[in-house]
Amino acid sequence: DIQMTQSPSTLSASVGDRVTITCRASQSIDNGLAWYQQKPGKAPKLLIYKASSLESGVPSRFSGSGSGTEFTLTISSLQPDDFATYYCQQYNTYYTFGQGTKLQIK
Amino acid sequence: EVQLVQSGVEVKEPGQSLKISCKGSGYTFTSYWIAWVRQMPGKGLEWMGIIYPGDSDTRYSPSFQGQVTISADKSFSTAYLQWSSLRASDTAMYYCARPAAAGSPYWYFDLWGRGTLVTVSS
Repeated sequence: DIQMTQSPSTLSASVGDRVTITCRASQSIDNGLAWYQQKPGKAPKLLIYKASSLESGVPSRFSGSGSGTEFTLTISSLQPDDFATYYCQQYNTYYTFGQGTKLQIK
Repeated sequence: EVQLVQSGVEVKEPGQSLKISCKGSGYTFTSYWIAWVRQMPGKGLEWMGIIYPGDSDTRYSPSFQGQVTISADKSFSTAYLQWSSLRASDTAMYYCARPAAAGSPYWYFDLWGRGTLVTVSS
């Protein structure tokens, strides 16, 4: 099984900050990685696919990078609506989600 | 509108059976796989399994193999997740989701249902 290790588990930041979340795969997944945002009581929402492609309608302050085993999600300038939990997901072989990163207001 | 509509809240007792549903609309239901994802209270997302309604080809996560059954009825454009004997540890939100690429079982999910909350308690 491919394991996904996401860090940090919690991140405190302020509006306007630049934040980065990291996801590491236990073996190479090429660019088979997606990022989702989830708010309480809601289904996850796709942000990034193929490691760096921005889903239609998602603000350009979100970006993804990486390939192989190491990936990052960056939010260039946090907005109030961005405080949520973020998950990475590998879909190269079956599916595995990272443990999640809760982004909270500092 | 392309959407997945899930069945409503369920409250069951341990040992009871349950079948929840996920109805696809606005697209060719038989052309896309449908996955099920579990989220236990306060926890992360776990992939349970996936089915291709076109021919009912089904694949399970090793963690869920034998614990649940995934099925589909293409006549009703609906996928199902069922338990034969529920446990308290099955208490969770269950989401169905659709991979973005037609015919591909392993792709990012671009469409999600709103979730079905299952509570198992005596």
